[in-house]
Amino acid sequence: KQEVTQIPAALSVPEGENLVLNCSFTDSAIYNLQWFRQDPGKGLTSLLLIQSSQREQTSGRLNASLDKSSGRSTLYIAASQPGDSATYLCAVRPMTGANSKLTFGKGITLSVRP
Amino acid sequence: DADVTQTPRNRITKTGKRIMLECSQTKGHDRMYWYRQDPGLGLRLIYYSFDVKDINKGEISDGYSVSRQAQAKFSLSLESAIPNQTALYFCATSDPRTYGGYTFGSGTRLTVV
Repeated sequence: KQEVTQIPAALSVPEGENLVLNCSFTDSAIYNLQWFRQDPGKGLTSLLLIQSSQREQTSGRLNASLDKSSGRSTLYIAASQPGDSATYLCAVRPMTGANSKLTFGKGITLSVRP
Repeated sequence: DADVTQTPRNRITKTGKRIMLECSQTKGHDRMYWYRQDPGLGLRLIYYSFDVKDINKGEISDGYSVSRQAQAKFSLSLESAIPNQTALYFCATSDPRTYGGYTFGSGTRLTVV
């Protein structure tokens, strides 16, 4: 059974700092990995999607990498801002046929201090 | 308009009542999902549907039922609500024909008293 772990559960950094959020998964046979952002009490917004054949994806100040062999993904946030404060979740879709479904980590709650 | 719309946004109901949460999407995706989110437990899959005639149980389907009225509509019902069903509920869609990413609705906050 696929397990997705995000450690630490919470992180607080000063504004302007570059930071890395980690995601690890136990089964490397994945179809893709998706990073989401969730503001308190709100829905999930997709940030980046990395296919199994890709090593990284970039969008603005965000860069996500994927290392399937080690079961790890990182989300790099450059020059963090208070508006980046949110919970960041990663989710993997396993490579177990067309009916595979997402497995989520529990998220990392990021606080960026002004 | 949002790609995935959930109604209501917030609901308070009494124990024992039947309640329906609705989800509609304009993505044209065949696949739809219902998740619940609880503090410390993360997101857990309740039901999923790969097309109108294909409905499947997820991890935690007990106490819930679903209806796929059309490709664009997927409803979740709580047959007899209980307090431990208090949670944030999300509907999502995906399209395996494209990159396979998921799109989520804004959620329904349900409180059972």
